[in-house]
Amino acid sequence: GAVVSQHPSRVICKSGTSVKIECRSLDFQATTMFWYRQFPKKSLMLMATSNEGSKATYEQGVEKDKFLINHASLTLSTLTVTSAHPEDSSFYICSARGASPAETQYFGPGTRLLVL
Amino acid sequence: SQKIEQNSEALNIQEGKTATLTCNYTNYSPAYLQWYRQDPGRGPVFLLLIRENEKEKRKERLKVTFDTTLKQSLFHITASQPADSATYLCALVLYNFNKFYFGSGTKLNVKP
Repeated sequence: GAVVSQHPSRVICKSGTSVKIECRSLDFQATTMFWYRQFPKKSLMLMATSNEGSKATYEQGVEKDKFLINHASLTLSTLTVTSAHPEDSSFYICSARGASPAETQYFGPGTRLLVL
Repeated sequence: SQKIEQNSEALNIQEGKTATLTCNYTNYSPAYLQWYRQDPGRGPVFLLLIRENEKEKRKERLKVTFDTTLKQSLFHITASQPADSATYLCALVLYNFNKFYFGSGTKLNVKP
């Protein structure tokens, strides 16, 4: 089956620093990648949708200057949390969708971010 | 407003019994409904998809029903096993496939 990886799996950083999270589709070309955020015992909250080679589409309430998304190739998307603060601490999950079947997305294992 | 509701309380059942999880939604017209399994600290894993014109879908011990009149999907695991213990999420997919709306999930505990 389709495999999506995320790196790093865990990161601890100081307040004010920036953190980059990578999402890769290992065995298929991802025309679209999604970035989610999940709080404990809560649903996945879609942050943004990115298509290769174009700007990401952010959901309402998500600061695009805070959460920079780059979808540089058909197998790689990155999320950079800029000037991180403790309230940015969360579980970040990416998913990738290929051309077919379009209704199926494959999730990465997630990245746990802790901002001190 | 649009809502997807799953029972927030954990479902505890005995091994061998059938687990039934519910997903209710309002103010959506989904093209598809999907069910995912999520283990602690991991990303969701896709299980089943059911289209709006399908009433029922099966895969091994899993069965999903979709009632667009009631705006409800039921997810069944027959002959449940302790290894089935996890959180199960439902997701609605609109026709353009560009957005997936997730419920908050129901935690299933299968006791030996």
